[in-house]
Amino acid sequence: NAGVTQTPKFRILKIGQSMTLQCAQDMNHNYMYWYRQDPGMGLKLIYYSVGAGITDKGEVPNGYNVSRSTTEDFPLRLELAAPSQTSVYFCASSYSYHRGDTDTQYFGPGTRLTVL
Amino acid sequence: GENVEQHPSTLSVQEGDSAVIKCTYSDSASNYFPWYKQELGKRPQLIIDIRSNVGEKKDQRIAVTLNKTAKHFSLHITETQPEDSAVYFCAASDASGGGADGLTFGKGTHLIIQP
Repeated sequence: NAGVTQTPKFRILKIGQSMTLQCAQDMNHNYMYWYRQDPGMGLKLIYYSVGAGITDKGEVPNGYNVSRSTTEDFPLRLELAAPSQTSVYFCASSYSYHRGDTDTQYFGPGTRLTVL
Repeated sequence: GENVEQHPSTLSVQEGDSAVIKCTYSDSASNYFPWYKQELGKRPQLIIDIRSNVGEKKDQRIAVTLNKTAKHFSLHITETQPEDSAVYFCAASDASGGGADGLTFGKGTHLIIQP
């Protein structure tokens, strides 16, 4: 298994540009997550999904959108990039038996995004 | 929502000594507490986790303790080695109010093992 994969690894955007960060997992996990990690800080939850067609906001959703059309893929969309979105973005997935009983989250390698 | 505080922000210990990192959480409904190790430029890697129905868990040189009453949990690393140098993050599940099932992370502890 490849586990959780993310593309691209690095990206530089200009203010106002848009892009999609890709995330895929091949572990048949039903839960998927997007986090951002600012320098010297912990990770903050942006969005999560409990299954195909279902998404929910996390702690810091403003400026982002997600979709979950398949179990495997969970792309994160930035519509109008701002310097405040400069960060490292991690996708994660887990298998959860039911809400409130979170299982181990496995992280992808991350995407380092710079907005200038 | 959940709030996780982690201390210290930096911890320097001599090789072979023990290291302890402490975290507190605010939401009594949280029920899952993982610890992640992150090396520079790498993804977080789970090293140990504990659920609220257990008070202590050990895996070789690493142990985690949980005090639900006081809402704090700690990571203990014994016989530290140079490869233990990294940033360690504690986290708690946010299971309150049927909201996010994601993790709320502490700000991290930079563990430095002195030779």
